[in-house]
Amino acid sequence: EIVLTQSPDTLSLSPGERATLSCRASQSVNTFLAWYQQKPGQAPRLLIYDASKRAAGIPARFSGGGSGTEFTLTISSLEPEDFAVYYCQQRSNWPQTFGQGTKLEIK
Amino acid sequence: EVQLVESGGDLVQPGGSLRLSCAASGFTLRNYWMSWVRQAPGRGLEWVANIKQDGSATYHADSVRGRFTISRDNANNSLFLQMNSLRVEDTALYFCARSFSGFFDAWGQGALVTVSS
Repeated sequence: EIVLTQSPDTLSLSPGERATLSCRASQSVNTFLAWYQQKPGQAPRLLIYDASKRAAGIPARFSGGGSGTEFTLTISSLEPEDFAVYYCQQRSNWPQTFGQGTKLEIK
Repeated sequence: EVQLVESGGDLVQPGGSLRLSCAASGFTLRNYWMSWVRQAPGRGLEWVANIKQDGSATYHADSVRGRFTISRDNANNSLFLQMNSLRVEDTALYFCARSFSGFFDAWGQGALVTVSS
C-alpha cells in the first residue's frame, strides 16, 4: 500500500498570504494524485486531479504541481474561506490511499 | 445539479449489521464507477469499496473485505453498502462518492455509523 505523508500537519497563515502544502508518496504515483478540501461538517471537495488539473469550478488561486513522489498544492493568496483541512489522494496503485491531512488555520 | 444523499446510518452493537443507501440524482448513475469512503471521528479519509458501472466488478479494502459488500441498482439510481459483523473500529461517517478516473468528484454529506455496546 502506498503511504502518503503530508506536511506540515498544521499551517498558520493570514488572509492574503501564499500557502504551500506538501504531499510525499512512499513510491512513485506518476501524476495520479488529487487534492481535496474539507471544511468542518462538510464533505470533501475535489480541487486538483492528475497532480495539476483544476476541477470544475475551482478558483485559479489553487494550483497543483509535482510528479513521482513529491507534490505540492499552492494557494496563491488566501481567502477567508480557504481555511480548512486539505487531503492528498493517489490512485496509481490499489488501494487508493489518502494522506493524513494538513490543517490550514488562520494566524 | 449532482446530488448524492446517504441514508441508513445508525447506532448498532458490535457484531451487528447495517445497510447504507445512497440516492443519486442530477447525473446518469450507470455511467460512473461509484465508491464508499469513510471518516472516523476526528480522523482522515479511508477508501472502503468501489463498484464498476454495471456492477460486474467490485473492490473492497482489506479492513472490510468479507464483512462489507458494495452493490448498486442503476434502474433506481441507488448505491448500497451492506455491513455485517460490525466492529467498534468501523465507527465513522460513511460518504457515497462518484468516481472520476480513480478520484472522487462528487460526495454526499455522509451517513453516521456508530458501533458501540
